[in-house]
Amino acid sequence: DSGVTQTPKHLITATGQRVTLRCSPRSGDLSVYWYQQSLDQGLQFLIQYYNGEERAKGNILERFSAQQFPDLHSELNLSSLELGDSALYFCASSVGAASRHNEQFFGPGTRLTVL
Amino acid sequence: GNSVTQMEGPVTLSEEAFLTINCTYTATGYPSLFWYVQYPGEGLQLLLKATKADDKGSNKGFEATYRKETTSFHLEKGSVQVSDSAVYFCALSKGSARQLTFGSGTQLTVLP
Repeated sequence: DSGVTQTPKHLITATGQRVTLRCSPRSGDLSVYWYQQSLDQGLQFLIQYYNGEERAKGNILERFSAQQFPDLHSELNLSSLELGDSALYFCASSVGAASRHNEQFFGPGTRLTVL
Repeated sequence: GNSVTQMEGPVTLSEEAFLTINCTYTATGYPSLFWYVQYPGEGLQLLLKATKADDKGSNKGFEATYRKETTSFHLEKGSVQVSDSAVYFCALSKGSARQLTFGSGTQLTVLP
């Protein structure tokens, strides 16, 4: 158990809908990263927050957004869902923002299925 | 940009066989390098890491050495067990947020 929790574990929804994925980092970790794992794209970095502030963006679509709250949990919002958004979404946390020694600890993921 | 090229799978070995999974990277400067393992239905677990050239990361019998001259970080284990069956991902971290760039993953199956 990494100490990172993600809810829900599974999510099934229809095209055009909006969903919210939730992540709670390990106690003491200030950074939260979101990654998408899909069959065709592999594992891709989406976005990072550090202590409530957006720090870096990767291949995140404009239909997707995220935020980190004062209690440090984070939410990833996916809207106008398409079939291609079906994937496993992972959250990871680390203590700092950009140390080369940073270890990222991954949650169990949320499996999103868009029908 | 940064990229990681990983040995294509799947790899099937008998128990106690020697394992090598090749990984090479492209990045400027000195990224940190990692191997993550994903067991069925679970998230990724950090297996080992190396943060500078010639560092050797090791854990649970697995080893990998950061080779700057060949831009490689090959994963090895002398004697695999059935419980090592999983998907292995090579990754690098660099950039302002140290986000991870992953290889495509290698599925390892170890037969008894």
